[in-house]
Amino acid sequence: AQSVTQPDIHITVSEGASLELRCNYSYGATPYLFWYVQSPGQGLQLLLKYFSGDTLVQGIKGFEAEFKRSQSSFNLRKPSVHWSDAAEYFCAVGPIDNTDKLIFGTGTRLQVFP
Amino acid sequence: DAGVIQSPRHEVTEMGQEVTLRCKPISGHNSLFWYRQTMMRGLELLIYFNNNVPIDDSGMPEDRFSAKMPNASFSTLKIQPSEPRDSAVYFCASSPVGAGARNEQFFGPGTRLTVL
Repeated sequence: AQSVTQPDIHITVSEGASLELRCNYSYGATPYLFWYVQSPGQGLQLLLKYFSGDTLVQGIKGFEAEFKRSQSSFNLRKPSVHWSDAAEYFCAVGPIDNTDKLIFGTGTRLQVFP
Repeated sequence: DAGVIQSPRHEVTEMGQEVTLRCKPISGHNSLFWYRQTMMRGLELLIYFNNNVPIDDSGMPEDRFSAKMPNASFSTLKIQPSEPRDSAVYFCASSPVGAGARNEQFFGPGTRLTVL
């Protein structure tokens, strides 16, 4: 069955520290993978996406993610976190059932201390 | 582009009342999704339209929920009658033409529904 797991519900880091948010997936073929960010009271915004090719993808706001097929992972990273990065982060996988649907993980809430 | 537009942004109603949420997708997008987000259940897909046709409504909780897409630029999600457990943030998202789920879903700002 297709699924996405975000093992960390809540992560706290200090401003300026590095960040890695974990995402593991279960999928029968090479998936399309996405990371979205949701700031409080806002909708979801795409940070980055992987379809094929280079397994290290760059996104907006200084984020990057690496697709590791052997580990079924697509972890999100940022070398130096800013207070404005405090938000909830969702990993998603598709296509589902040959449609445009995505399956979203349960999210990781990031808290940043000054 | 104005992005996905949802109205109202906030809705407070009493149990038993009819609630209608509205969505205007991004022009040219041919897929539209309605999601519900709660603390307990996270982000749930309710229904998905492609070219104005409902493709998958398996996430619609029960018959009290209905969704329509009369044209490419407008969709509604209706709850009748509403119940307190329907309280949630409802998101609409749209996706552009072609290449299936390779396309990013663009989310609206959401409608926060409170049913008293």
